[in-house]
Amino acid sequence: QQQVKQSPQSLIVQKGGISIINCAYENTAFDYFPWYQQFPGKGPALLIAIRPDVSEKKEGRFTISFNKSAKQFSLHIMDSQPGDSATYFCAARWGPSGNMLTFGGGTRLMVKP
Amino acid sequence: GAGVSQSPSNKVTEKGKDVELRCDPISGHTALYWYRQSLGQGLEFLIYFQGNSAPDKSGLPSDRFSAERTGGSVSTLTIQRTQQEDSAVYLCASSFLAGGPIYEQYFGPGTRLTVT
Repeated sequence: QQQVKQSPQSLIVQKGGISIINCAYENTAFDYFPWYQQFPGKGPALLIAIRPDVSEKKEGRFTISFNKSAKQFSLHIMDSQPGDSATYFCAARWGPSGNMLTFGGGTRLMVKP
Repeated sequence: GAGVSQSPSNKVTEKGKDVELRCDPISGHTALYWYRQSLGQGLEFLIYFQGNSAPDKSGLPSDRFSAERTGGSVSTLTIQRTQQEDSAVYLCASSFLAGGPIYEQYFGPGTRLTVT
């Protein structure tokens, strides 16, 4: 019920290409969907986030697409750069206090020059 | 501008020993979270502190795991009688008061625990 399923586990994209990472959930009580970026040896950092009443959010080269009826959301990285090589986690917020996060399994992205 | 800090950054211990992991949250953040990240896996929620309320311990995997938060600031995660399956990166995060508006969780760099 609290799970978020993320795919693919790993992704290789050429520089300038589009990276797409998908997540799916079951719990309709989730009310906030952030994406985190993690570089080796570092903690995750918030990249971009969306509420379920919005179908798309764009920040620079990063876009979240949200499909509430399908309970799916995805991260698109346009014009992917080698510096985008990192592990990406989708997450969903829940909890009686409203700020607990459950995370997807992560996607290791490699952008080849 | 200090972020969330964690110590030690790396810890190697023998099976059966106890370990303590420390987290210093961002000043002013009243909510503190512990997560565990196993190799190549996502983040697993362990425990959550919010202000002076009783912590949410629902994610602790066994009674060998416990955590305290002293003075509403520094937190210590203790693992007793460590097992090899406890090997992971332990991440701490903090945020402003949870609930109501959405508050970003800021993560520390983690403590890599290796149980031999």
